[in-house]
Amino acid sequence: EPEVTQTPSHQVTQMGQEVILRCVPISNHLYFYWYRQILGQKVEFLVSFYNNEISEKSEIFDDQFSVERPDGSNFTLKIRSTKLEDSAMYFCACTTSGLNNEQFFGPGTRLTVL
Amino acid sequence: QKEVEQDPGPLSVPEGAIVSLNCTYSNSAFQYFMWYRQYSRKGPELLMYTYSSGNKEDGRFTAQVDKSSKYISLFIRDSQPSDSATYLCAIRPPGGFKTIFGAGTRLFVKA
Repeated sequence: EPEVTQTPSHQVTQMGQEVILRCVPISNHLYFYWYRQILGQKVEFLVSFYNNEISEKSEIFDDQFSVERPDGSNFTLKIRSTKLEDSAMYFCACTTSGLNNEQFFGPGTRLTVL
Repeated sequence: QKEVEQDPGPLSVPEGAIVSLNCTYSNSAFQYFMWYRQYSRKGPELLMYTYSSGNKEDGRFTAQVDKSSKYISLFIRDSQPSDSATYLCAIRPPGGFKTIFGAGTRLFVKA
């Protein structure tokens, strides 16, 4: 069964450093998403991406964040200058269409900012 | 008012019990309602989704939406220890791409 993969599974970084979280969505899926979940809190939407453009973003997704699909398979989330409060699980998700409600989630990357 | 509210639990039941998990939502325009299951340190996994009001059944799971009271429910029959997880209700605003999650209810099914 096709699945979403994310790397690394755990990333530790120093405050102020840049990090790039990587996702490989399911191959025929066209809409991509990033969510985050701070420990003990709810899963929060960050951004959706379609046709090389951001289609929707939340207020969390400020100028420190960016997304990119650098090639035909990867989808990345970059945090330019990490803060302590960026420590969270980051989940990538994808769907075949924007109206399809079955978002397939990856296993997540745990980001720890020291 | 939060868009989706869910009691975080925890909820502990014996094996074989019927489990009832519930959420309320604030906006009557919402039409897509979902239930996800999340095991510890894993990504959410879609269990069921329903459109508008009514019931939907899949094996031991039944999802129910009552739009008049803005209430969504998930029932698990004959609960098993493997059902122990966090259950997240979620909604998809009309015309939007994001999914809005509830806080999740931690369920423990004791053998």
